[in-house]
Amino acid sequence: ETGVTQTPRHLVMGMTNKKSLKCEQHLGHNAMYWYKQSAKKPLELMFVYNFKEQTENNSVPSRFSPECPNSSHLFLHLHTLQPEDSALYLCASSQDGTGAPDTQYFGPGTRLTVL
Amino acid sequence: TQLLEQSPQFLSIQEGENLTVYCNSSSVFSSLQWYRQEPGEGPVLLVTVVTGGEVKKLKRLTFQFGDARKDSSLHITAAQPGDTGLYLCAGEGTYKYIFGTGTRLKVLA
Repeated sequence: ETGVTQTPRHLVMGMTNKKSLKCEQHLGHNAMYWYKQSAKKPLELMFVYNFKEQTENNSVPSRFSPECPNSSHLFLHLHTLQPEDSALYLCASSQDGTGAPDTQYFGPGTRLTVL
Repeated sequence: TQLLEQSPQFLSIQEGENLTVYCNSSSVFSSLQWYRQEPGEGPVLLVTVVTGGEVKKLKRLTFQFGDARKDSSLHITAAQPGDTGLYLCAGEGTYKYIFGTGTRLKVLA
């Protein structure tokens, strides 16, 4: 397996469910990111982790809870979501864990639908 | 706040036509990247431009970074159905890359 992988690729959940999205990178990178991509909106950066430490949280509601157990894995735990949270959730990784901008490599995304 | 506006938002053309998409900002960026995102996939990096006035070519794609490093363009010559996708520009901000609004291109056979 190479690159950045995400599971599941598609997820349908009710507003009262709890689910988790998983991201794994096989590139030896030190930084990992969660983005939200909605129709007609630019990519929205949600969270950034550098060397397993969260370095950015862009005012994301607490119903989204990230977890980064090591530099290769990133999770997004979801609970009591709203229909407007339906979107494509993209994970990305980059080499530099110091916080300076560098090229990001994206996974294929998880298409989330909240009923 | 640094913003990147892309135009047009949508473009539908016939195979063989040429096209240009634009990425504009009032902010100066240290570098700018272009990505293509195909349906059901994540964005894939096409190119990074770092010098004002720089032109880079990738087969039928020509990328230009504005002299003032506030804007960029992507020109596709003789478009093919395989060029269909969402084209995103991303400017290097102080702490992170800022993504543009995107241009959705459809090339009809």
